[in-house]
Amino acid sequence: NAGVMQNPRHLVRRRGQEARLRCSPMKGHSHVYWYRQLPEEGLKFMVYLQKENIIDESGMPKERFSAEFPKEGPSILRIQQVVRGDSAAYFCASSPGQRRGGTEAFFGQGTRLTVV
Amino acid sequence: KQEVTQIPAALSVPEGENLVLNCSFTDSAIYNLQWFRQDPGKGLTSLLLIQSSQREQTSGRLNASLDKSSGRSTLYIAASQPGDSATYLCAVDDMRFGAGTRLTVKP
Repeated sequence: NAGVMQNPRHLVRRRGQEARLRCSPMKGHSHVYWYRQLPEEGLKFMVYLQKENIIDESGMPKERFSAEFPKEGPSILRIQQVVRGDSAAYFCASSPGQRRGGTEAFFGQGTRLTVV
Repeated sequence: KQEVTQIPAALSVPEGENLVLNCSFTDSAIYNLQWFRQDPGKGLTSLLLIQSSQREQTSGRLNASLDKSSGRSTLYIAASQPGDSATYLCAVDDMRFGAGTRLTVKP
């Protein structure tokens, strides 16, 4: 059972381009969480999704950022018209069910986005 | 809104020492709490998950306790080793994290 897979591991984009970050949860996991981490800082919650539903997007910037978790395929975090301030490590985690059901969550290795 | 705080922000100890990391949360009505470690430039590794009905969990040299009524959890590391050097983070329920404690164990 492979762990949470994120790709690409490293992504370089020029200002104004789009960045698409992918997260394949562990097999059997239907809940995905996305985080952003700036250098030397903590994890900032962005969005929590269940398959085909956004449960909580309270940490997501209102503009340029979107996330989806379709019925089939990975979860996608999309950043449109990237700016230098978007440079960060983006992590996703997955769990098999609601955390309130006492399920354990596991993280991917992250995607490091650099905007030049 | 749940707030999670970790104290201290950084800790440096000599090898072999026992140590305690703290995690506090403002809303005691949690369902579970999970401890992670993060090595520099890496993702997070799950260490221990404590459900609300449990008071502690143990894995090797690690022991995590949970006191819901006081809104606190502690992670106890016995006989620390240089390989334990990392940032330790706690998360409650829907994956709300504290800022972490950066631990350095000196040989």
